[in-house]
Amino acid sequence: QKEVEQDPGPLSVPEGAIVSLNCTYSNSAFQYFMWYRQYSRKGPELLMYTYSSGNKEDGRFTAQVDKSSKYISLFIRDSQPSDSATYLCAMTPSGSARQLTFGSGTQLTVLP
Amino acid sequence: SQTIHQWPATLVQPVGSPLSLECTVEGTSNPNLYWYRQAAGRGLQLLFYSIGIDQISSEVPQNLSASRPQDRQFILSSKKLLLSDSGFYLCAWSVTRSGGNTIYFGEGSWLTVV
Repeated sequence: QKEVEQDPGPLSVPEGAIVSLNCTYSNSAFQYFMWYRQYSRKGPELLMYTYSSGNKEDGRFTAQVDKSSKYISLFIRDSQPSDSATYLCAMTPSGSARQLTFGSGTQLTVLP
Repeated sequence: SQTIHQWPATLVQPVGSPLSLECTVEGTSNPNLYWYRQAAGRGLQLLFYSIGIDQISSEVPQNLSASRPQDRQFILSSKKLLLSDSGFYLCAWSVTRSGGNTIYFGEGSWLTVV
Protein backbone atom coordinates (compact mmCIF):
# COMPACT_ATOMS: atom_id res chain seq x y z
CA GLN A 1 0.00 0.00 0.00
CA LYS A 2 1.30 3.43 -0.93
CA GLU A 3 1.70 5.97 1.85
CA VAL A 4 -0.28 8.51 -0.17
CA GLU A 5 -3.09 7.56 -2.51
CA GLN A 6 -4.52 9.90 -5.12
CA ASP A 7 -7.09 9.12 -7.78
CA PRO A 8 -5.28 9.66 -11.10
CA GLY A 9 -8.43 10.66 -12.97
CA PRO A 10 -8.72 11.99 -15.59
CA LEU A 11 -11.39 14.30 -14.27
CA SER A 12 -13.34 16.51 -16.68
CA VAL A 13 -15.68 19.27 -15.53
CA PRO A 14 -17.48 22.17 -17.23
CA GLU A 15 -16.23 25.69 -16.71
CA GLY A 16 -17.63 27.22 -13.53
CA ALA A 17 -18.00 23.91 -11.70
CA ILE A 18 -16.71 23.25 -8.21
CA VAL A 19 -13.88 20.75 -8.31
CA SER A 20 -12.94 18.45 -5.45
CA LEU A 21 -9.54 16.75 -5.49
CA ASN A 22 -8.60 14.31 -2.77
CA CYS A 23 -5.77 12.34 -1.22
CA THR A 24 -5.75 9.70 1.46
CA TYR A 25 -2.73 8.70 3.47
CA SER A 26 -1.74 5.98 5.89
CA ASN A 27 1.01 7.62 7.98
CA SER A 28 -0.61 9.32 10.96
CA ALA A 29 2.64 11.23 11.57
CA PHE A 30 2.03 13.53 8.59
CA GLN A 31 1.49 17.06 9.86
CA TYR A 32 2.23 19.37 6.92
CA PHE A 33 0.20 19.19 3.75
CA MET A 34 0.69 20.81 0.35
CA TRP A 35 -1.02 20.97 -3.00
CA TYR A 36 0.91 21.55 -6.21
CA ARG A 37 -0.38 22.33 -9.69
CA GLN A 38 1.58 20.96 -12.64
CA TYR A 39 0.93 22.04 -16.19
CA SER A 40 1.90 19.69 -18.97
CA ARG A 41 5.68 19.33 -19.32
CA LYS A 42 6.34 21.91 -16.56
CA GLY A 43 7.57 21.75 -12.99
CA PRO A 44 5.02 21.62 -10.13
CA GLU A 45 3.93 24.96 -8.68
CA LEU A 46 2.97 25.30 -5.02
CA LEU A 47 -0.70 26.21 -4.55
CA MET A 48 -1.52 25.65 -0.91
CA TYR A 49 0.34 24.84 2.28
CA THR A 50 -1.40 23.84 5.51
CA TYR A 51 -0.41 22.54 8.89
CA SER A 52 -2.44 19.97 10.85
CA SER A 53 -6.23 19.85 10.52
CA GLY A 54 -8.61 22.53 9.32
CA ASN A 55 -9.31 24.65 6.28
CA LYS A 56 -7.28 27.25 4.43
CA GLU A 57 -8.64 29.47 1.72
CA ASP A 58 -6.79 31.40 -1.00
CA GLY A 59 -8.94 32.99 -3.66
CA ARG A 60 -10.83 30.25 -5.50
CA PHE A 61 -8.86 27.51 -3.76
CA THR A 62 -9.63 25.89 -0.41
CA ALA A 63 -7.47 23.23 1.20
CA GLN A 64 -9.03 20.99 3.80
CA VAL A 65 -7.29 18.53 6.11
CA ASP A 66 -9.05 15.86 8.17
CA LYS A 67 -6.36 14.10 10.14
CA SER A 68 -8.83 11.84 11.93
CA SER A 69 -9.79 10.35 8.58
CA LYS A 70 -6.32 10.75 7.06
CA TYR A 71 -7.91 12.62 4.19
CA ILE A 72 -7.08 15.90 2.51
CA SER A 73 -8.95 17.81 -0.16
CA LEU A 74 -8.47 20.71 -2.52
CA PHE A 75 -11.57 22.55 -3.69
CA ILE A 76 -11.55 24.82 -6.72
CA ARG A 77 -14.52 27.17 -7.05
CA ASP A 78 -15.65 28.69 -10.34
CA SER A 79 -13.20 26.49 -12.23
CA GLN A 80 -11.57 27.91 -15.35
CA PRO A 81 -9.99 26.28 -18.41
CA SER A 82 -6.68 27.63 -17.10
CA ASP A 83 -7.09 25.32 -14.09
CA SER A 84 -6.61 22.34 -16.40
CA ALA A 85 -3.52 20.63 -15.05
CA THR A 86 -2.35 17.77 -12.88
CA TYR A 87 -2.74 18.36 -9.15
CA LEU A 88 -0.32 16.72 -6.75
CA CYS A 89 -0.76 16.42 -3.03
CA ALA A 90 2.30 16.21 -0.80
CA MET A 91 2.85 15.75 2.91
CA THR A 92 5.61 15.47 5.49
CA PRO A 93 5.67 14.54 9.18
CA SER A 94 8.18 17.02 10.49
CA GLY A 95 8.07 19.97 8.16
CA SER A 96 11.25 18.73 6.52
CA ALA A 97 11.06 19.02 2.75
CA ARG A 98 13.41 16.05 2.52
CA GLN A 99 10.67 13.84 3.95
CA LEU A 100 7.99 14.96 1.54
CA THR A 101 5.83 12.18 0.14
CA PHE A 102 3.91 12.98 -3.04
CA GLY A 103 0.74 11.57 -4.47
CA SER A 104 0.86 10.49 -8.09
CA GLY A 105 -1.41 13.34 -9.19
CA THR A 106 -4.95 13.86 -10.52
CA GLN A 107 -5.32 15.11 -14.07
CA LEU A 108 -8.03 17.77 -14.33
CA THR A 109 -9.57 19.20 -17.49
CA VAL A 110 -11.96 22.16 -17.30
CA LEU A 111 -14.01 22.36 -20.45
CA PRO A 112 -15.00 25.83 -21.78
CA SER B 1 12.57 37.16 -5.14
CA GLN B 2 13.99 33.69 -5.52
CA THR B 3 14.16 31.94 -8.88
CA ILE B 4 15.40 28.59 -10.01
CA HIS B 5 16.81 27.82 -13.44
CA GLN B 6 17.24 24.36 -14.84
CA TRP B 7 18.69 23.27 -18.21
CA PRO B 8 18.57 21.79 -20.72
CA ALA B 9 14.79 21.61 -20.95
CA THR B 10 14.79 18.64 -23.30
CA LEU B 11 17.42 16.20 -24.43
CA VAL B 12 17.66 12.92 -26.27
CA GLN B 13 20.71 10.83 -25.47
CA PRO B 14 21.89 7.42 -26.68
CA VAL B 15 22.35 4.56 -24.26
CA GLY B 16 25.82 4.61 -22.77
CA SER B 17 26.36 8.33 -23.24
CA PRO B 18 27.06 10.72 -20.34
CA LEU B 19 24.56 13.13 -18.82
CA SER B 20 24.79 16.51 -17.18
CA LEU B 21 21.77 18.49 -15.97
CA GLU B 22 22.38 21.78 -14.26
CA CYS B 23 20.37 23.86 -11.86
CA THR B 24 21.00 27.24 -10.25
CA VAL B 25 19.03 29.17 -7.66
CA GLU B 26 19.02 32.96 -7.41
CA GLY B 27 17.89 35.26 -4.65
CA THR B 28 18.75 33.11 -1.66
CA SER B 29 21.84 31.78 0.05
CA ASN B 30 22.58 28.33 1.44
CA PRO B 31 19.40 26.73 0.13
CA ASN B 32 18.64 23.05 0.48
CA LEU B 33 18.70 21.59 -3.02
CA TYR B 34 17.03 18.50 -4.45
CA TRP B 35 16.90 16.38 -7.59
CA TYR B 36 13.66 14.50 -8.24
CA ARG B 37 12.57 12.19 -11.00
CA GLN B 38 8.98 11.94 -12.14
CA ALA B 39 7.95 8.90 -14.16
CA ALA B 40 4.70 8.89 -16.13
CA GLY B 41 1.71 8.26 -13.86
CA ARG B 42 3.87 8.06 -10.80
CA GLY B 43 4.73 10.40 -7.99
CA LEU B 44 7.91 12.33 -7.52
CA GLN B 45 10.91 10.29 -6.42
CA LEU B 46 13.65 12.06 -4.48
CA LEU B 47 17.05 11.19 -5.94
CA PHE B 48 19.50 13.50 -4.18
CA TYR B 49 19.43 16.04 -1.41
CA SER B 50 22.06 18.64 -0.50
CA ILE B 51 22.34 20.92 2.51
CA GLY B 52 25.53 22.62 1.38
CA ILE B 53 28.56 22.62 -0.92
CA ASP B 54 29.85 19.08 -1.45
CA GLN B 55 27.23 17.77 1.00
CA ILE B 56 25.11 15.33 -0.97
CA SER B 57 22.82 12.56 0.22
CA SER B 58 21.68 9.87 -2.20
CA GLU B 59 18.18 8.66 -1.51
CA VAL B 60 18.08 5.69 -3.87
CA PRO B 61 20.77 3.49 -5.43
CA GLN B 62 21.02 4.19 -9.15
CA ASN B 63 23.09 5.05 -12.16
CA LEU B 64 23.16 8.76 -11.35
CA SER B 65 25.29 11.06 -9.23
CA ALA B 66 24.98 14.64 -8.05
CA SER B 67 27.42 17.40 -7.23
CA ARG B 68 27.20 20.83 -5.67
CA PRO B 69 30.31 22.78 -6.58
CA GLN B 70 28.86 26.14 -5.53
CA ASP B 71 26.28 27.21 -2.97
CA ARG B 72 23.50 27.73 -5.47
CA GLN B 73 24.49 25.24 -8.17
CA PHE B 74 23.37 21.63 -8.31
CA ILE B 75 24.36 19.18 -11.06
CA LEU B 76 22.93 15.78 -11.89
CA SER B 77 25.25 13.48 -13.84
CA SER B 78 25.68 10.04 -15.25
CA LYS B 79 28.70 8.43 -16.85
CA LYS B 80 26.67 5.94 -18.89
CA LEU B 81 22.95 6.33 -19.41
CA LEU B 82 20.54 3.42 -19.32
CA LEU B 83 17.17 3.21 -21.04
CA SER B 84 15.57 3.21 -17.60
CA ASP B 85 17.04 6.66 -16.90
CA SER B 86 14.47 8.24 -19.21
CA GLY B 87 12.08 10.55 -17.41
CA PHE B 88 11.33 14.04 -16.22
CA TYR B 89 13.98 15.41 -13.88
CA LEU B 90 13.22 18.24 -11.52
CA CYS B 91 15.54 20.40 -9.49
CA ALA B 92 14.06 22.00 -6.39
CA TRP B 93 15.02 24.13 -3.45
CA SER B 94 13.54 24.64 -0.04
CA VAL B 95 13.28 27.45 2.43
CA THR B 96 12.56 27.20 6.11
CA ARG B 97 9.34 28.90 7.07
CA SER B 98 7.50 29.04 10.33
CA GLY B 99 6.08 25.61 10.93
CA GLY B 100 8.07 23.81 8.27
CA ASN B 101 9.77 23.81 4.90
CA THR B 102 8.23 24.42 1.52
CA ILE B 103 9.77 23.11 -1.66
CA TYR B 104 9.89 24.98 -4.98
CA PHE B 105 10.55 23.34 -8.31
CA GLY B 106 12.32 24.31 -11.49
CA GLU B 107 10.81 23.86 -14.91
CA GLY B 108 12.24 20.38 -15.34
CA SER B 109 14.31 18.52 -17.91
CA TRP B 110 12.85 15.88 -20.17
CA LEU B 111 15.37 13.11 -20.80
CA THR B 112 14.82 10.42 -23.41
CA VAL B 113 17.43 7.71 -23.62
CA VAL B 114 17.36 5.89 -26.96
